[in-house]
Amino acid sequence: QSVLTQPPSVSGAPGQRVTISCTGSSSNIGAGLDVHWYQQLPGAAPKLLIYANYNRPSGVPDRFSGSKSATSASLAITGLQAEDEADYYCQSYDFNLGGYVFGGGTKLTVL
Amino acid sequence: EVQLLESGGGLVQPGDSLRLSCAASGFSFSTYAMAWVRQAPGKGLEWVSSIINSGMTTSYGDSVKGRFAISRDNSKNTVSLQMNSLRAEDTAIYYCAKYRGLHASAWFFDYWGQGILVTVSS
Repeated sequence: QSVLTQPPSVSGAPGQRVTISCTGSSSNIGAGLDVHWYQQLPGAAPKLLIYANYNRPSGVPDRFSGSKSATSASLAITGLQAEDEADYYCQSYDFNLGGYVFGGGTKLTVL
Repeated sequence: EVQLLESGGGLVQPGDSLRLSCAASGFSFSTYAMAWVRQAPGKGLEWVSSIINSGMTTSYGDSVKGRFAISRDNSKNTVSLQMNSLRAEDTAIYYCAKYRGLHASAWFFDYWGQGILVTVSS
């Protein structure tokens, strides 16, 4: 079981909007710690998508956005495109574990 | 351009040791903390170990604590992971990753290597 909980899968049609949730606890997200998001395309290494809750690295389209509240965070993808089909992971730090934690990952399928 | 290139993976038997290396380029290596993250076949990401820029402080995930050791050579821009007493459950793709962030609890991985496969099987 992952410390951060994500839905195993989400799907949407091209052009639609989808959101992926990441639920933590008082020892990580709820403690005010930042949440970061990664995209892993099939057969590739993970790539940073969102850092510190809502910031996009240069080169990441503004179709991707992040938000955070209380003990959870969300990744939103608008204007879905076929190339968005990938696995998405949230990540934070956990004070109880004293280390970095990931969500279990969410597989996005573009219908 | 930041590049991280892992090497040293392969097939080993349970109980064996293996040493992974990661050659970094394209950034001021001695400025940044580094990490190893792994992904078992068909599974999610798992943080394995971290080392701060000076090499003076290291940390490990519970599943590898006492068996793995991370180190770095800032003169050669390399970070290594010595893996001892390997188990079948250590089978995974191991990624070298560069940290970024203001302080340790805010760190995230802004660049990743392509990964290297470690298979532990008899």
